[in-house]
Amino acid sequence: DGGITQSPKYLFRKEGQNVTLSCEQNLNHDAMYWYRQDPGQGLRLIYYSQIVNDFQKGDIAEGYSVSREKKESFPLTVTSAQKNPTAFYLCASSPSQRPQETQYFGPGTRLLVL
Amino acid sequence: QKEVEQDPGPLSVPEGAIVSLNCTYSNSAFQYFMWYRQYSRKGPELLMYTYSSGNKEDGRFTAQVDKSSKYISLFIRDSQPSDSATYLCAMSARYSSASKIIFGSGTRLSIRP
Repeated sequence: DGGITQSPKYLFRKEGQNVTLSCEQNLNHDAMYWYRQDPGQGLRLIYYSQIVNDFQKGDIAEGYSVSREKKESFPLTVTSAQKNPTAFYLCASSPSQRPQETQYFGPGTRLLVL
Repeated sequence: QKEVEQDPGPLSVPEGAIVSLNCTYSNSAFQYFMWYRQYSRKGPELLMYTYSSGNKEDGRFTAQVDKSSKYISLFIRDSQPSDSATYLCAMSARYSSASKIIFGSGTRLSIRP
């Protein structure tokens, strides 16, 4: 059963703490993305990766970091430098560098600050 | 002014009605237009993708682009309760580069049985 999995579904962060969100895909897609969704706003791109061991900043990368050591995995770390981390985080993948045509999203992780 | 404007709704219609969802945009360079459906607490699902102007039909769904008016629409015929979701429009100027896809804020749609 192919798809994108994200874990955990809910995540709680304390002040000053770094947390890591997991994203795994078994679709054999080259490109992977992280988006942030806030109420009343569209999705905003945090980071994206078009190939293993390479990634680029999106529109709101400050306070976040990523790695792409394996084709299947693209974890996102929300660092303590991100002052407003409460949001719904979505991971996506596409089979080529053309997400306009085909982009699959995971179920999302909701991050809350304690 | 946002690059993409979308009425947040909520929009409530009876089952079987024709639904019209719309977005306006300001960037005349946009050429690629997408519609996503997002159920509550789930990730978005790409419904339709169109290039430049014109119509595209897929079952009960029709996407329409009017570049002269900078206006795109998604029509849903014979609406069903299962169509109740948030619909996001998205657009970009170039075919590649994920960083240039701009999403609308979404319209929440409810279909009453």
